[in-house]
Amino acid sequence: SYELTQPLSVSVALGQTARISCGGNNIGSKNVYWYQQKSGQAPVLVIYRVSNRPSGIPERFSGSNSGNTATLTISRAQAGDEADYYCQVWDSSTWVFGGGTKLTVL
Amino acid sequence: EVQLVESGGGLVQPGRSLRLSCAASGFTFDDYAMQWVRQVPGRGLEWVSGISWNSVLGYADSVKGRFTISRDNAKNSLYLQMNSLRAEDTAFYYCVKSVGPNFGDYFDYWGQGTLVTVSS
Repeated sequence: SYELTQPLSVSVALGQTARISCGGNNIGSKNVYWYQQKSGQAPVLVIYRVSNRPSGIPERFSGSNSGNTATLTISRAQAGDEADYYCQVWDSSTWVFGGGTKLTVL
Repeated sequence: EVQLVESGGGLVQPGRSLRLSCAASGFTFDDYAMQWVRQVPGRGLEWVSGISWNSVLGYADSVKGRFTISRDNAKNSLYLQMNSLRAEDTAFYYCVKSVGPNFGDYFDYWGQGTLVTVSS
């Protein structure tokens, strides 16, 4: 079965840029989705089809995908961006999530 | 406004059954695929099952043969029948809406989840 690998944690200074990776075999050939989950809340879609933002998601959130790594980039990080972030792909008629990355804003 | 409200969670003994429900509102339910996603407290997300608008079904290997997803379009409701429950099925179960009619369409709205605890 397909596997997605994310770092357990990423830290970023307030106002700086955070990058969260999502590794998978030839993931560059797939559409990637990213969800933000704040403590005690349901996940929220922040990026769809690699690099598109749903309405209401700030332009500070962006995505890219190439080779074996997809990346969620959060520019000008704010305290409110602290959350768990999950990548997701569709593979072999199943949905696969990465293990999640805890983003800490220092 | 899209709303997804799960119910039916609770404490159940290993080997027993439980049925989860999800009441949907704020959109034309029968036009969209729906999903169940679970999350062990403090852990990551795991897709459980999906159902297309026309009842094409999909399951994770971990629940195949034990769980059954279904929908009642007349009642705007989604269900998950869980049989032969195991301790490792303990999790929050989220009802999730897809952006399109097929369960391979990505997700746009999530419910708040219902907790299932499997323990003797």
